[in-house]
Amino acid sequence: AQSVTQPDIHITVSEGASLELRCNYSYGATPYLFWYVQSPGQGLQLLLKYFSGDTLVQGIKGFEAEFKRSQSSFNLRKPSVHWSDAAEYFCAVGGNTGGFKTIFGAGTRLFVKA
Amino acid sequence: DVKVTQSSRYLVKRTGEKVFLECVQDMDHENMFWYRQDPGLGLRLIYFSYDVKMKEKGDIPEGYSVSREKKERFSLILESASTNQTSMYLCASNRGAIGGNQPQHFGDGTRLSIL
Repeated sequence: AQSVTQPDIHITVSEGASLELRCNYSYGATPYLFWYVQSPGQGLQLLLKYFSGDTLVQGIKGFEAEFKRSQSSFNLRKPSVHWSDAAEYFCAVGGNTGGFKTIFGAGTRLFVKA
Repeated sequence: DVKVTQSSRYLVKRTGEKVFLECVQDMDHENMFWYRQDPGLGLRLIYFSYDVKMKEKGDIPEGYSVSREKKERFSLILESASTNQTSMYLCASNRGAIGGNQPQHFGDGTRLSIL
C-alpha cells in the first residue's frame, strides 16, 4: 500500500540550530517526492520536489532534502533555523502509477525557540 | 504565479444546511482537488476532477459532492451539513495527464464550522 510516515508529530529547535525532519514512504513504483510547508492560517506551499537524478535536492528558503532509496526516506534539512520557519511541514509521494493521487503524511509541526 | 482562490476563509453554517465551497484557479490546470485537514490526520482527499464535468471519489467522499462546470472552477458541496464536517477545507490544482507526478498548488483554505 502507498503511504507516507512522518514519525515526529512536533519538533522544537532553537533559532540558529540545524533541523532534520524525517519522512519515510511506501510506494510500489518510482516515487515522486515532495515537501510542503504550511504557515498558520494558510494553504500548503511547495518547498522542494524530487523526481530523478541527484538525490540531494535544493528548495526554497534554504531547505534541502535527500532521497535514500535503500531506506525509503526523504528527510528534510536546514542548516540554521530562523524563527519564521515555525510552521507545519508535510511530506508527500506520488508517481506515474498512482493516477492522480498524491499521498500526504500527517505532518510535523516545527516550533522555534529564541 | 499560480493562484488558487477559495471564496471564503471562514464560514459558519448550521446542521442540515446545504453548503457550497468554491475554488478558482487561474493557470489552466487540468486537475483540481478537495481535501479536508484535521489535526493529526493530515490531508485527506475528498474528491478530485481531471477534466471539466469529470470527477472521481477520493478517500472520504461520504456526505460530499462536487461540481466542475468550467475548467477553472471546482465546487465542493455538503449536501446536508453535520457537525462532524467541521474542518479546514483545502482546494488544490495541478497539471498533467497523470497528476500524481506533479506538485499541487493550494488555496489558503476555508475553515468551516457547523453548529
